[in-house]
Amino acid sequence: DGGITQSPKYLFRKEGQNVTLSCEQNLNHDAMYWYRQDPGQGLRLIYYSQIVNDFQKGDIAEGYSVSREKKESFPLTVTSAQKNPTAFYLCASSKSRTDGIVYGYTFGSGTRLTVV
Amino acid sequence: AQSVTQLGSHVSVSEGALVLLRCNYSSSVPPYLFWYVQYPNQGLQLLLKYTTGATLVKGINGFEAEFKKSETSFHLTKPSAHMSDAAEYFCAVSEGSFKTIFGAGTRLFVKA
Repeated sequence: DGGITQSPKYLFRKEGQNVTLSCEQNLNHDAMYWYRQDPGQGLRLIYYSQIVNDFQKGDIAEGYSVSREKKESFPLTVTSAQKNPTAFYLCASSKSRTDGIVYGYTFGSGTRLTVV
Repeated sequence: AQSVTQLGSHVSVSEGALVLLRCNYSSSVPPYLFWYVQYPNQGLQLLLKYTTGATLVKGINGFEAEFKKSETSFHLTKPSAHMSDAAEYFCAVSEGSFKTIFGAGTRLFVKA
């Protein structure tokens, strides 16, 4: 079955370390997204990508970086510049809206990052 | 700018009772509206969406939502709550771009 795979499920980071969260989809979706979820704050957009080799900053991009070298993959790196990285990170994908149809998102099961 | 407000961070109902989760939105153009459900330590799952056409939208698990433009609302309902409905629910709005804005979420508790 098609879906989105996020790994690892749990990740621990030491102060000053960069860590990379993996997101892979086999849905043939053009668009991919990274959200951060904190209790009581809903989901906040970090980065999104509409096509391969192109991505845009979301509302809270500082301290994060992404790449989109393949359609299936959209890894997120949490750098040491992110001062409060402890959160639940969700990757999502959707079909392109170029056909005029609005599609909902398909989400992965998330990665919980904790700074130790 | 688009925004979403979910009224009530927590809602508690008895099993078999009506579920009503409230969502109000702000949008400068006709919006696209969504409801998602999240179970603990999992991703979100699409329940239903409104794009155009019929204002009463039916989704999975017996949920439905009604788009009311005059009230800028998109409340989620289910006639009879089940224990398995206990989860967090998110309302979301999109103006047609690739960006979707999510509300803060409402946690639904179902009492036996």
